[in-house]
Amino acid sequence: GENVEQHPSTLSVQEGDSAVIKCTYSDSASNYFPWYKQELGKGPQLIIDIRSNVGEKKDQRIAVTLNKTAKHFSLHITETQPEDSAVYFCAAVWGDQKVTFGIGTKLQVIP
Amino acid sequence: DSGVTQTPKHLITATGQRVTLRCSPRSGDLSVYWYQQSLDQGLQFLIQYYNGEERAKGNILERFSAQQFPDLHSELNLSSLELGDSALYFCASSASDMNTEAFFGQGTRLTVV
Repeated sequence: GENVEQHPSTLSVQEGDSAVIKCTYSDSASNYFPWYKQELGKGPQLIIDIRSNVGEKKDQRIAVTLNKTAKHFSLHITETQPEDSAVYFCAAVWGDQKVTFGIGTKLQVIP
Repeated sequence: DSGVTQTPKHLITATGQRVTLRCSPRSGDLSVYWYQQSLDQGLQFLIQYYNGEERAKGNILERFSAQQFPDLHSELNLSSLELGDSALYFCASSASDMNTEAFFGQGTRLTVV
């Protein structure tokens, strides 16, 4: 099966700074990589995703990059705001529509 | 609001009991996915149904089962409950069967005592 490693597990940044979360995966057949934001007491919310035939995708302050050769993908949040504080999960979708999640990164944006 | 509805929000039950969790997908979505989230195991994929048929299976225990009904709502049945089954159970839905662009519900918090 797929193994997804995510780091760091916690991240504190000053408001306005950038935050970067990195994930690696093991199965080269994985073809879809979503990122989820989970706020306390809520379900994970899809914030951005990337498919294996794309190297980078951007949506306003959020961007994701994918390096298929190295099997890693990253989430970049620019101009962070206090409301960005949450737990972020990366995931990889592989054979038969199965999905493996990273362990999560708790992001704290300090005003 | 993701459009995915899960009931109940909270459930407390005793060991050995059986419970049923319910999920209504977003309007038009044919796929339903079930996940378990716990502190020690993280977020784990359990099972997927697409248009009434089982499509993919993850780390689902034999004591657990699921089904998707003709109106596309889904139920997750957990039986012979153990203390370790205490967790958040999420349902997600998507339009396709490819586990892409999936939207999660608010979850059911199950506590086994």
